[in-house]
Amino acid sequence: GAGVSQSPSNKVTEKGKDVELRCDPISGHTALYWYRQSLGQGLEFLIYFQGNSAPDKSGLPSDRFSAERTGGSVSTLTIQRTQQEDSAVYLCASTQTALFRSEQYFGPGTRLTVT
Amino acid sequence: DAKTTQPTSMDCAEGRAANLPCNHSTISGNEYVYWYRQIHSQGPQYIIHGLKNNETNEMASLIITEDRKSSTLILPHATLRDTAVYYCIVRSTDSWGKFQFGAGTQVVVTP
Repeated sequence: GAGVSQSPSNKVTEKGKDVELRCDPISGHTALYWYRQSLGQGLEFLIYFQGNSAPDKSGLPSDRFSAERTGGSVSTLTIQRTQQEDSAVYLCASTQTALFRSEQYFGPGTRLTVT
Repeated sequence: DAKTTQPTSMDCAEGRAANLPCNHSTISGNEYVYWYRQIHSQGPQYIIHGLKNNETNEMASLIITEDRKSSTLILPHATLRDTAVYYCIVRSTDSWGKFQFGAGTQVVVTP
């Protein structure tokens, strides 16, 4: 596709349920990033992938959060036993490389609401 | 990465130039200045970046002071579609790419 895509665009789930969020980066982009944005707040970094490996997972808020990337392309962010404080927009971005010169291209985000 | 300071909000008249300031007084020599914007309900969009020289592209111009402690993003002819939150970010050349987004400046373009 022409840009980064994310699915679903909206997800409403009950507290305690698990959710999976998907990100399809731009074809050929090796680096992939997950951020989240709570209402009225700036972006909070979660995790970064270079290829299929994640050199830095320090932004994941708890062990309920995990992410994987397969085939150097699609990534899935999984939140187990969701809590109300997990409600946010989850944004994915990709870059051609992880080098500082590469600007990040963001997807439209997944709006997660935990009831 | 260095911190940035931006005004919380600013208004701009449609058709006029919008000048968005950013202070980054602790910037170091290997840090670039990036600007992104986020239109409501969309993901952030790259605008421009620079190191020490002024830069211009089809969207905007970036003016960086000689001491690199501050910069200004210029939207030459603001339109209503430029209403967005604008983020100024500094990022090290040693960084593997993570962006540290602050609160940004809410720009409202009015008719």
